Amino acid sequence: EAGVAQSPRYKIIEKRQSVAFWCNPISGHATLYWYQQILGQGPKLLIQFQNNGVVDDSQLPKDRFSAERLKGVDSTLKIQPAKLEDSAVYLCASSPVQGGKETQYFGPGTRLLVL
Amino acid sequence: GEDVEQSLFLSVREGDSSVINCTYTDSSSTYLYWYKQEPGAGLQLLTYIFSNMDMKQDQRLTVLLNKKDKHLSLRIADTQTGDSAIYFCAESNKDNDMRFGAGTRLTVKP
Repeated sequence: EAGVAQSPRYKIIEKRQSVAFWCNPISGHATLYWYQQILGQGPKLLIQFQNNGVVDDSQLPKDRFSAERLKGVDSTLKIQPAKLEDSAVYLCASSPVQGGKETQYFGPGTRLLVL
Repeated sequence: GEDVEQSLFLSVREGDSSVINCTYTDSSSTYLYWYKQEPGAGLQLLTYIFSNMDMKQDQRLTVLLNKKDKHLSLRIADTQTGDSAIYFCAESNKDNDMRFGAGTRLTVKP
């Protein structure tokens, strides 16, 4: 079974530029998550999708971050404009259903450096 | 908000047992997890335990849960150099909202 795919793996941009990350979850997984992992910290949830609907985006800085999952499969996370403090690893995860014990499976992450 | 706390570093000798500890505050946690993260890689699920269990063993891994004290531990028997990584404790509630600790960096010395 293929895992969660993310691209790009690395991205370096200057502050105030825009950047987009892509995630392809495990086939059949209804729930998709985007996490931000700042160096030395655990992952922090940014947004959770159930199919193509947003379940939780309470921690998403909506003035600069946006995410979509139009067809309920792939998802993109965008930052516009980026700030220095956005430097982090952005992890995508998926799980079969929402709620219960369903484990979240993580992709390798996109490492973003904002200069 | 609810917190998950872990010690940041642990160093052991190859062949010894490692014990990584975690405390959490959310009394509505339903599942608790241990993830492993190697350099440049995503999080790999090692094991998880339901909140009404107190122990789970899987090969070299033993998870102990003290729900009363909200304390979770991961014991790795016969620790190998390949076990060197960052280990994250996480808990989830009935809505599958997950909270992670900051991670414990395990260093295994030959």
